[in-house]
Amino acid sequence: GENVEQHPSTLSVQEGDSAVIKCTYSDSASNYFPWYKQELGKGPQLIIDIRSNVGEKKDQRIAVTLNKTAKHFSLHITETQPEDSAVYFCAATDTGRRALTFGSGTRLQVQP
Amino acid sequence: GAGVSQSPSNKVTEKGKDVELRCDPISGHTALYWYRQSLGQGLEFLIYFQGNSAPDKSGLPSDRFSAERTGGSVSTLTIQRTQQEDSAVYLCASSPPGGGNTEAFFGQGTRLTVV
Repeated sequence: GENVEQHPSTLSVQEGDSAVIKCTYSDSASNYFPWYKQELGKGPQLIIDIRSNVGEKKDQRIAVTLNKTAKHFSLHITETQPEDSAVYFCAATDTGRRALTFGSGTRLQVQP
Repeated sequence: GAGVSQSPSNKVTEKGKDVELRCDPISGHTALYWYRQSLGQGLEFLIYFQGNSAPDKSGLPSDRFSAERTGGSVSTLTIQRTQQEDSAVYLCASSPPGGGNTEAFFGQGTRLTVV
């Protein structure tokens, strides 16, 4: 089955700095890679996703990159704000036949 | 409703009792997932329903756990003879139909405490 590893487990940055979270996956059949943000007491919410036919995707301050050869993908948040503080999860799956496999999460704290 | 609804939001039960957790997915969504999240941990896959296909039960941790999905909509996760290690937040998610991968929408979860 798929195995997703995520680093770092915690990340503290100053407001305005950039934050990068990295994930690796094991199954070369995986072709869908979403990122979720979970705030305290809430369920995870999708913030951005990328499919294997794309190398990079941006949405305002958030970007995701994918290296299929190396089987790793990363989340980049620029100009961080205190409201970006949350736990972020990466995930991977294939063509919908399987459920998402999640990384262990990164607790991001943005210091004002 | 507008999103995935889970009930109850909190459940405290005595060790050895059975519990049922309910998930109402978004109308029209064909895929439904159950995950378990222990305190400060990641999301552990439990079970996955996709349309009329046989569910993927490979994540259920023991035979005390079971789930069903009636009429392709509401799902119930049942834990029999609960143990203290079952204490966690149980999250349900659903996804719309599609040929490829689509967003999984999560509910707010049921916090289960076994005392």
